[in-house]
Amino acid sequence: QQQVRQSPQSLTVWEGETAILNCSYEDSTFNYFPWYQQFPGEGPALLISIRSVSDKKEDGRFTIFFNKREKKLSLHITDSQPGDSATYFCAASENSGTYQRFGTGTKLQVVP
Amino acid sequence: GGIITQTPKFLIGQEGQKLTLKCQQNFNHDTMYWYRQDSGKGLRLIYYSITENDLQKGDLSEGYDASREKKSSFSLTVTSAQKNEMAVFLCASTPGGRAEQFFGPGTRLTVL
Repeated sequence: QQQVRQSPQSLTVWEGETAILNCSYEDSTFNYFPWYQQFPGEGPALLISIRSVSDKKEDGRFTIFFNKREKKLSLHITDSQPGDSATYFCAASENSGTYQRFGTGTKLQVVP
Repeated sequence: GGIITQTPKFLIGQEGQKLTLKCQQNFNHDTMYWYRQDSGKGLRLIYYSITENDLQKGDLSEGYDASREKKSSFSLTVTSAQKNEMAVFLCASTPGGRAEQFFGPGTRLTVL
């Protein structure tokens, strides 16, 4: 049972466009949502995270929009750069963040 | 700063063989994790440990053993390697009271 779902599976955008990556979850007890970025041959690295008390979190070109009622969130990457080409994982957990459930990832390609 | 080291980087074994993967971290983090990353399936938690000599099962613990004999190291044993568990195994750690997980580069397992 996939508790965290991501779409699309892969996404291609032109340099300078906004990439939108979607995530949804099932368990209403989840309240911490990190997004990880993974380059080939490396482990994932935390990119940005949000807690359910907020509906938006911004860090430079990366913004999370969170809709608690619909149990959905999205990661927006504005002014996409070729260096943003990577796989992005959405995860979810309860308070402590210890037991994080990961989605299946979105592979983003940014074309120059 | 700190680093997570996983050995070996590539592990090749025979079907039915017992294989051990090792992870070391010098962050002085309390909690350590083992995940399995299958292509197209995201990360699935095998075991985690919140302190030395503690072990907690994740969603995918069957067929695996783990050991946390020191705070800095966490090992994973594949008890009887199967072809359908060829994947990348990722080790991660978090400091106490924080949710961000720091990942190692992974061990790629091939079963012949």
